[in-house]
Amino acid sequence: GQNIDQPTEMTATEGAIVQINCTYQTSGFNGLFWYQQHAGEAPTFLSYNVLDGLEEKGRFSSFLSRSKGYSYLLLKELQMKDSASYLCAVRVLEAGTALIFGKGTTLSVSS
Amino acid sequence: EAGVTQFPSHSVIEKGQTVTLRCDPISGHDNLYWYRRVMGKEIKFLLHFVKESKQDESGMPNNRFLAERTGGTYSTLKVQPAELEDSGVYFCASSPTWNTEAFFGQGTRLTVV
Repeated sequence: GQNIDQPTEMTATEGAIVQINCTYQTSGFNGLFWYQQHAGEAPTFLSYNVLDGLEEKGRFSSFLSRSKGYSYLLLKELQMKDSASYLCAVRVLEAGTALIFGKGTTLSVSS
Repeated sequence: EAGVTQFPSHSVIEKGQTVTLRCDPISGHDNLYWYRRVMGKEIKFLLHFVKESKQDESGMPNNRFLAERTGGTYSTLKVQPAELEDSGVYFCASSPTWNTEAFFGQGTRLTVV
């Protein structure tokens, strides 16, 4: 089967750094995506990793280790607007072109 | 550029009724996906269109669900007859190619009572 795990909830304060972890056990691997979703809105693409290493995009960075089945999303200089659900998703070609999602991590940023 | 749009945003229907959800992908995106999120669960794949053809429908739960994409533009997802367990948020997403990021619509919240 396919399994993706991420923490259910996290809290942090404005200006801080937070790391959201994602571990996966899948029958294959063809890329890992991070999406941000505010309540009632569409999931918005944040990052894509297919090779090991760190991808940096402004305040957000994403890391992948394929041998460990592990990724993290790093958010720096947190702002109140970063309060949202963060979704980890894996593409498993053996399962078609679909994305397999984790349940998401709800991040609450306080002042 | 307009994003992925879904209609309606909310729908409340009685068990046994029929509901049709519509998705308009980003113009020029050949790939269109339907996903569903049941309360408390993760977002799950339903099916994938490439233009008007069904590329992968392995996620469709049963034959009460029918998806179409005539002409390769917008898509509809019909649930007939609806059951209580069909309640959830139905997301549509589109992408220019299968291996690029998908852009999601804001979803249709379906409640079956």
